[in-house]
Amino acid sequence: ETGVTQTPRHLVMGMTNKKSLKCEQHLGHNAMYWYKQSAKKPLELMFVYSLEERVENNSVPSRFSPECPNSSHLFLHLHTLQPEDSALYLCASSQGPGTNEKLFFGSGTQLSVL
Amino acid sequence: AQKITQTQPGMFVQEKEAVTLDCTYDTSDPSYGLFWYKQPSSGEMIFLIYQGSYDQQNATEGRYSLNFQKARKSANLVISASQLGDSAMYFCAMREGASTGGYNKLIFGAGTRLAVHP
Repeated sequence: ETGVTQTPRHLVMGMTNKKSLKCEQHLGHNAMYWYKQSAKKPLELMFVYSLEERVENNSVPSRFSPECPNSSHLFLHLHTLQPEDSALYLCASSQGPGTNEKLFFGSGTQLSVL
Repeated sequence: AQKITQTQPGMFVQEKEAVTLDCTYDTSDPSYGLFWYKQPSSGEMIFLIYQGSYDQQNATEGRYSLNFQKARKSANLVISASQLGDSAMYFCAMREGASTGGYNKLIFGAGTRLAVHP
Protein backbone atom coordinates (compact mmCIF):
# COMPACT_ATOMS: atom_id res chain seq x y z
CA GLU A 1 0.00 0.00 0.00
CA THR A 2 1.37 3.44 -0.92
CA GLY A 3 2.43 5.80 1.85
CA VAL A 4 -0.10 8.58 1.31
CA THR A 5 -3.45 7.78 -0.28
CA GLN A 6 -5.94 10.38 -1.51
CA THR A 7 -9.52 9.83 -2.56
CA PRO A 8 -11.20 10.53 -4.84
CA ARG A 9 -8.66 10.95 -7.65
CA HIS A 10 -11.08 13.10 -9.63
CA LEU A 11 -14.04 15.18 -8.49
CA VAL A 12 -16.47 17.33 -10.40
CA MET A 13 -18.84 19.46 -8.37
CA GLY A 14 -21.23 22.33 -8.78
CA MET A 15 -20.85 25.55 -6.88
CA THR A 16 -23.65 24.66 -4.48
CA ASN A 17 -22.45 21.15 -3.67
CA LYS A 18 -20.76 19.94 -0.51
CA LYS A 19 -18.01 17.37 -0.87
CA SER A 20 -14.99 16.13 1.07
CA LEU A 21 -11.49 15.11 0.08
CA LYS A 22 -9.85 12.36 2.07
CA CYS A 23 -6.21 11.70 2.80
CA GLU A 24 -4.74 8.75 4.69
CA GLN A 25 -1.10 8.16 5.53
CA HIS A 26 0.36 4.79 6.50
CA LEU A 27 3.80 6.07 7.48
CA GLY A 28 3.31 6.85 11.16
CA HIS A 29 3.97 10.54 10.55
CA ASN A 30 2.99 13.33 12.93
CA ALA A 31 2.32 16.18 10.51
CA MET A 32 -0.11 16.42 7.59
CA TYR A 33 -0.54 19.12 4.97
CA TRP A 34 -2.93 20.33 2.30
CA TYR A 35 -1.45 22.03 -0.77
CA LYS A 36 -3.28 23.53 -3.76
CA GLN A 37 -1.72 23.27 -7.21
CA SER A 38 -3.35 25.53 -9.82
CA ALA A 39 -2.33 25.65 -13.44
CA LYS A 40 0.74 27.78 -14.02
CA LYS A 41 1.10 28.67 -10.32
CA PRO A 42 3.44 27.32 -7.65
CA LEU A 43 2.08 24.98 -5.05
CA GLU A 44 0.31 26.90 -2.32
CA LEU A 45 0.30 25.69 1.26
CA MET A 46 -3.24 25.74 2.65
CA PHE A 47 -3.20 24.02 6.03
CA VAL A 48 -0.82 22.16 8.31
CA TYR A 49 -1.70 19.84 11.17
CA SER A 50 0.91 18.75 13.67
CA LEU A 51 -0.09 16.08 16.19
CA GLU A 52 -3.71 16.61 15.12
CA GLU A 53 -3.62 20.32 15.93
CA ARG A 54 -3.96 22.90 13.17
CA VAL A 55 -0.78 24.95 13.17
CA GLU A 56 -0.97 26.77 9.84
CA ASN A 57 -3.87 28.35 7.99
CA ASN A 58 -2.59 30.43 5.10
CA SER A 59 -5.50 32.82 4.64
CA VAL A 60 -7.61 30.14 3.06
CA PRO A 61 -11.27 31.08 2.41
CA SER A 62 -13.76 29.58 4.83
CA ARG A 63 -15.38 27.55 2.06
CA PHE A 64 -12.45 25.18 2.66
CA SER A 65 -12.66 23.47 6.04
CA PRO A 66 -9.97 21.00 7.14
CA GLU A 67 -10.40 18.23 9.67
CA CYS A 68 -7.81 15.96 11.24
CA PRO A 69 -9.55 13.35 13.44
CA ASN A 70 -6.31 11.44 14.10
CA SER A 71 -2.70 11.48 12.99
CA SER A 72 -3.38 9.15 10.04
CA HIS A 73 -6.35 10.91 8.46
CA LEU A 74 -6.91 14.34 7.02
CA PHE A 75 -10.01 15.70 5.33
CA LEU A 76 -10.78 18.82 3.34
CA HIS A 77 -14.46 19.71 3.41
CA LEU A 78 -15.63 21.81 0.48
CA HIS A 79 -18.79 23.91 0.18
CA THR A 80 -20.02 26.65 -2.14
CA LEU A 81 -16.81 26.63 -4.13
CA GLN A 82 -15.98 28.93 -7.02
CA PRO A 83 -14.72 27.96 -10.49
CA GLU A 84 -11.29 29.40 -9.60
CA ASP A 85 -11.02 26.72 -6.92
CA SER A 86 -10.54 24.13 -9.64
CA ALA A 87 -7.09 22.68 -9.07
CA LEU A 88 -5.10 19.65 -7.98
CA TYR A 89 -5.27 19.28 -4.21
CA LEU A 90 -2.30 17.48 -2.76
CA CYS A 91 -2.02 15.97 0.67
CA ALA A 92 1.36 15.35 2.29
CA SER A 93 2.77 14.06 5.54
CA SER A 94 6.11 14.26 7.33
CA GLN A 95 7.70 12.69 10.37
CA GLY A 96 8.78 15.94 11.98
CA PRO A 97 10.55 17.52 13.71
CA GLY A 98 13.84 17.64 11.90
CA THR A 99 15.50 20.07 9.59
CA ASN A 100 15.69 17.68 6.64
CA GLU A 101 12.37 15.93 7.08
CA LYS A 102 10.94 15.58 3.62
CA LEU A 103 7.26 15.65 2.82
CA PHE A 104 5.66 12.56 1.34
CA PHE A 105 2.85 13.39 -1.08
CA GLY A 106 -0.20 11.60 -2.32
CA SER A 107 -1.26 11.58 -5.98
CA GLY A 108 -3.78 14.35 -5.41
CA THR A 109 -7.44 14.97 -6.13
CA GLN A 110 -8.13 16.80 -9.39
CA LEU A 111 -11.07 19.05 -8.60
CA SER A 112 -13.25 20.74 -11.20
CA VAL A 113 -15.86 23.25 -10.07
CA LEU A 114 -18.58 23.96 -12.60
CA ALA B 1 9.35 38.94 -4.09
CA GLN B 2 9.43 35.28 -5.02
CA LYS B 3 11.23 33.09 -2.56
CA ILE B 4 11.99 30.34 -5.08
CA THR B 5 12.65 31.08 -8.74
CA GLN B 6 12.85 28.50 -11.49
CA THR B 7 13.55 30.39 -14.69
CA GLN B 8 13.20 27.48 -17.12
CA PRO B 9 9.54 26.66 -17.83
CA GLY B 10 10.64 23.82 -20.09
CA MET B 11 13.80 21.90 -20.91
CA PHE B 12 14.62 18.99 -23.13
CA VAL B 13 17.56 16.61 -23.13
CA GLN B 14 18.69 13.63 -25.14
CA GLU B 15 18.54 10.26 -23.46
CA LYS B 16 21.80 9.40 -21.61
CA GLU B 17 22.89 13.05 -21.52
CA ALA B 18 23.14 15.16 -18.36
CA VAL B 19 20.83 18.11 -17.69
CA THR B 20 20.84 20.96 -15.18
CA LEU B 21 17.65 22.48 -13.84
CA ASP B 22 18.06 25.92 -12.31
CA CYS B 23 16.80 27.14 -8.96
CA THR B 24 17.54 30.35 -7.09
CA TYR B 25 16.17 31.25 -3.70
CA ASP B 26 15.79 34.28 -1.52
CA THR B 27 16.09 34.24 2.25
CA SER B 28 17.83 36.21 4.95
CA ASP B 29 17.66 33.34 7.43
CA PRO B 30 21.01 31.56 7.87
CA SER B 31 19.24 28.26 8.51
CA TYR B 32 17.22 26.80 5.66
CA GLY B 33 16.76 23.64 3.64
CA LEU B 34 16.40 23.09 -0.06
CA PHE B 35 14.46 20.22 -1.64
CA TRP B 36 13.86 18.96 -5.15
CA TYR B 37 10.73 17.04 -6.11
CA LYS B 38 9.67 15.29 -9.30
CA GLN B 39 6.03 15.25 -10.42
CA PRO B 40 5.20 12.78 -13.20
CA SER B 41 1.89 12.91 -15.03
CA SER B 42 0.33 10.75 -12.29
CA GLY B 43 0.39 13.81 -10.03
CA GLU B 44 2.35 12.46 -7.08
CA MET B 45 5.26 14.58 -5.87
CA ILE B 46 8.35 12.39 -5.45
CA PHE B 47 11.22 13.56 -3.24
CA LEU B 48 14.59 13.52 -4.98
CA ILE B 49 17.25 15.28 -2.93
CA TYR B 50 17.85 17.58 0.05
CA GLN B 51 20.51 20.19 0.85
CA GLY B 52 20.85 21.95 4.19
CA SER B 53 22.25 25.46 4.39
CA TYR B 54 25.05 24.32 6.69
CA ASP B 55 25.99 21.27 4.66
CA GLN B 56 29.58 21.57 3.48
CA GLN B 57 29.28 19.20 0.56
CA ASN B 58 26.85 19.09 -2.33
CA ALA B 59 24.14 16.50 -1.87
CA THR B 60 24.01 13.46 -4.14
CA GLU B 61 21.40 10.73 -4.52
CA GLY B 62 22.14 8.24 -7.27
CA ARG B 63 21.87 10.06 -10.62
CA TYR B 64 20.78 13.27 -8.89
CA SER B 65 23.16 15.85 -7.51
CA LEU B 66 22.60 19.32 -6.21
CA ASN B 67 24.98 22.09 -7.24
CA PHE B 68 24.74 24.29 -4.15
CA GLN B 69 26.26 27.75 -4.50
CA LYS B 70 25.42 29.49 -1.26
CA ALA B 71 26.85 32.92 -2.11
CA ARG B 72 24.82 33.01 -5.30
CA LYS B 73 21.76 31.53 -3.57
CA SER B 74 21.40 28.86 -6.18
CA ALA B 75 20.60 25.17 -5.83
CA ASN B 76 20.59 23.65 -9.28
CA LEU B 77 19.60 20.02 -9.81
CA VAL B 78 21.84 17.95 -12.05
CA ILE B 79 20.46 14.75 -13.53
CA SER B 80 23.11 12.54 -15.06
CA ALA B 81 22.51 9.88 -17.71
CA SER B 82 18.92 10.96 -18.41
CA GLN B 83 16.31 8.28 -18.92
CA LEU B 84 12.95 8.45 -20.68
CA GLY B 85 11.29 8.01 -17.29
CA ASP B 86 12.83 11.27 -16.12
CA SER B 87 10.31 13.21 -18.22
CA ALA B 88 8.23 15.10 -15.64
CA MET B 89 7.79 18.40 -13.83
CA TYR B 90 10.56 19.25 -11.38
CA PHE B 91 10.03 21.53 -8.41
CA CYS B 92 12.54 23.26 -6.19
CA ALA B 93 11.36 24.01 -2.66
CA MET B 94 12.72 25.73 0.43
CA ARG B 95 12.12 25.43 4.14
CA GLU B 96 12.97 28.82 5.57
CA GLY B 97 14.40 28.85 9.08
CA ALA B 98 14.88 25.92 11.41
CA SER B 99 12.22 23.28 11.59
CA THR B 100 9.97 24.06 14.54
CA GLY B 101 6.66 22.85 15.82
CA GLY B 102 7.14 19.36 14.44
CA TYR B 103 6.50 20.16 10.79
CA ASN B 104 8.24 21.53 7.70
CA LYS B 105 6.64 24.42 5.84
CA LEU B 106 7.92 24.22 2.25
CA ILE B 107 7.68 27.01 -0.31
CA PHE B 108 7.73 25.79 -3.92
CA GLY B 109 8.92 27.27 -7.19
CA ALA B 110 6.84 27.28 -10.36
CA GLY B 111 8.56 24.19 -11.71
CA THR B 112 10.43 23.13 -14.86
CA ARG B 113 8.98 20.63 -17.32
CA LEU B 114 11.69 18.25 -18.52
CA ALA B 115 11.31 16.20 -21.67
CA VAL B 116 13.79 13.42 -22.36
CA HIS B 117 14.08 12.53 -26.04
CA PRO B 118 15.24 9.12 -27.28
